[in-house]
Amino acid sequence: ETGVTQSPTHLIKTRGQQVTLRCSSQSGHNTVSWYQQALGQGPQFIFQYYREEENGRGNFPPRFSGLQFPNYSSELNVNALELDDSALYLCASSLGRQQETQYFGPGTRLLVL
Amino acid sequence: AQSVSQHNHHVILSEAASLELGCNYSYGGTVNLFWYVQYPGQHLQLLLKYFSGDPLVKGIKGFEAEFIKSKFSFNLRKPSVQWSDTAEYFCAVRETGGYQKVTFGTGTKLQVIP
Repeated sequence: ETGVTQSPTHLIKTRGQQVTLRCSSQSGHNTVSWYQQALGQGPQFIFQYYREEENGRGNFPPRFSGLQFPNYSSELNVNALELDDSALYLCASSLGRQQETQYFGPGTRLLVL
Repeated sequence: AQSVSQHNHHVILSEAASLELGCNYSYGGTVNLFWYVQYPGQHLQLLLKYFSGDPLVKGIKGFEAEFIKSKFSFNLRKPSVQWSDTAEYFCAVRETGGYQKVTFGTGTKLQVIP
């Protein structure tokens, strides 16, 4: 176990809805990264937060947004859900901007119908 | 754009066989390189990483990887696999400039037969 927790574990939504996923980072870690892992694919980088500010983003549209709170926990928000958003969403925490070692959570499996 | 290729999607080996999983990346700048493993039902965890220095890197559980800059490769090796090595293995590359985006390969499923 890594100390990184994510909620909920599973979620079913319909197209057009909005969803919020949550991540609690490992104690002392100030950097959180979010990834989307579609079935049969490797994780794809969505964005990273360092001390409450976004400091990196992958090729995801603006309807994917996030927040990091003063306790370094984080949220991933996805608006206007599409069928292709169905995936495992992974959160990883690390210490410092350099992401020396990322510790991954178990993920939230999202199904969009 | 940066990309990571893992050519072996599914590998089946007998116990005690040697393992080599290929990883190639495309990026012209300086990179950090990682191998992650996901055992059945478990989280992704770091096997080993390369930042600089000796291109032969040793990780946990007897794994090692060699960075060959001229070939843009970072292959994972283990001399003798065990049944407990059955897992999915991901190669990942991080750009060291800009905002340090991390790109993962599509993964290789390793099945070790007792």
